[in-house]
Amino acid sequence: DTGVSQDPRHKITKRGQNVTFRCDPISEHNRLYWYRQTLGQGPEFLTYFQNEAQLEKSRLLSDRFSAERPKGSFSTLEIQRTEQGDSAMYLCASDLRGRGAGETQYFGPGTRLLVL
Amino acid sequence: GEDVEQSLFLSVREGDSSVINCTYTDSSSTYLYWYKQEPGAGLQLLTYIFSNMDMKQDQRLTVLLNKKDKHLSLRIADTQTGDSAIYFCAETRNSGNTPLVFGKGTRLSVIA
Repeated sequence: DTGVSQDPRHKITKRGQNVTFRCDPISEHNRLYWYRQTLGQGPEFLTYFQNEAQLEKSRLLSDRFSAERPKGSFSTLEIQRTEQGDSAMYLCASDLRGRGAGETQYFGPGTRLLVL
Repeated sequence: GEDVEQSLFLSVREGDSSVINCTYTDSSSTYLYWYKQEPGAGLQLLTYIFSNMDMKQDQRLTVLLNKKDKHLSLRIADTQTGDSAIYFCAETRNSGNTPLVFGKGTRLSVIA
């Protein structure tokens, strides 16, 4: 396994359109996280899953955002009715949580979204 | 509070040591991390330290933790031009059962 992958790497869209991003975590990892990073800032937490259950959502995750992890493997993040303020890098990370497991999150390369 | 603070810029000469500092406010932090981000790329985990440790060394990297002052530092020995990047300090709490909280990052520039 080569690590966390994300698709697409770049997305340009017009305001008001819907976009969907995909993340494939490291295969044995049971937790998957989504973060958003704007220019000059560190990543900010959006939401995370343990297996298929969505355990926590940040207040940054407005009603226009929805995330799923239907089979506990890959995840999708959808943004409806995009706004210019949604322009950012969307980062996915995964880790393995459980007795004796490590405590480190591994990040994908990110999807850079530009809303015109 | 959840603030993680870092200085924004650091410039060093090639071959010198770099020291990047970070302060955090949450005394329940259990793990503290250093990530590296190169332009247009995702985050690469460099190292992490558990809160019951004072120091961790990994090749050119040395992490020092002062839990009393809530201060974390990353020392890079023999800094190379390839070390130029943004370095993020991050913390997690409650035995690691919460998402990471990041600082704004320190941009390290290495001058040849």
